[in-house]
Amino acid sequence: DTEVTQTPKHLVMGMTNKKSLKCEQHMGHRAMYWYKQKAKKPPELMFVYSYEKLSINESVPSRFSPECPNSSLLNLHLHALQPEDSALYLCASSQVETGYNEQFFGPGTRLTVL
Amino acid sequence: DQQVKQNSPSLSVQEGRISILNCDYTNSMFDYFLWYKKYPAEGPTFLISISSIKDKNEDGRFTVFLNKSAKHLSLHIVPSQPGDSAVYFCAASVAGNQFYFGTGTSLTVIP
Repeated sequence: DTEVTQTPKHLVMGMTNKKSLKCEQHMGHRAMYWYKQKAKKPPELMFVYSYEKLSINESVPSRFSPECPNSSLLNLHLHALQPEDSALYLCASSQVETGYNEQFFGPGTRLTVL
Repeated sequence: DQQVKQNSPSLSVQEGRISILNCDYTNSMFDYFLWYKKYPAEGPTFLISISSIKDKNEDGRFTVFLNKSAKHLSLHIVPSQPGDSAVYFCAASVAGNQFYFGTGTSLTVIP
């Protein structure tokens, strides 16, 4: 199984809503990542989890709250988002955080904030 | 400031011909590079990698060339097929820590 899955595929939420994005992998990878991608822009790293511990937080606003319940799961909790947070949110995983190994991406969640 | 640049937003190539996608970087410490392919409504799919100890890596129809002195890498696809039509991203890192992505090049292979 070389797949990273993400749910939901699409999400529309208001600025007062609370929602969560979910990511799952069963490749035994110990590093998991959240990226944000706006149209015609490269993916931007948001968070890195290494061995279920938060390793990198790229100065992301607190309205985004990551969680790694176990080595296969990664969540992104959303609260009080702004319209400019509308983007494609990509999850990725790799064997470990460092070292010469590639990241595998999920299909993404297309988020629209009204 | 963008550390990885793909200056061609789009490229069209006839089926059977060579596609050459280019990527430039500014950080001389980058030593590990990846190419990804992305179809609409899907996540990026890993294609091929190269580390700075090599100047070339091949995998089937895909070859990546690295010119460290010019801080430039390129992806060659030979022969190009219509199914190769997608957006291609290059990414660079120092020893696999935190990848920086280019803005992508949209490749169209014309049958």
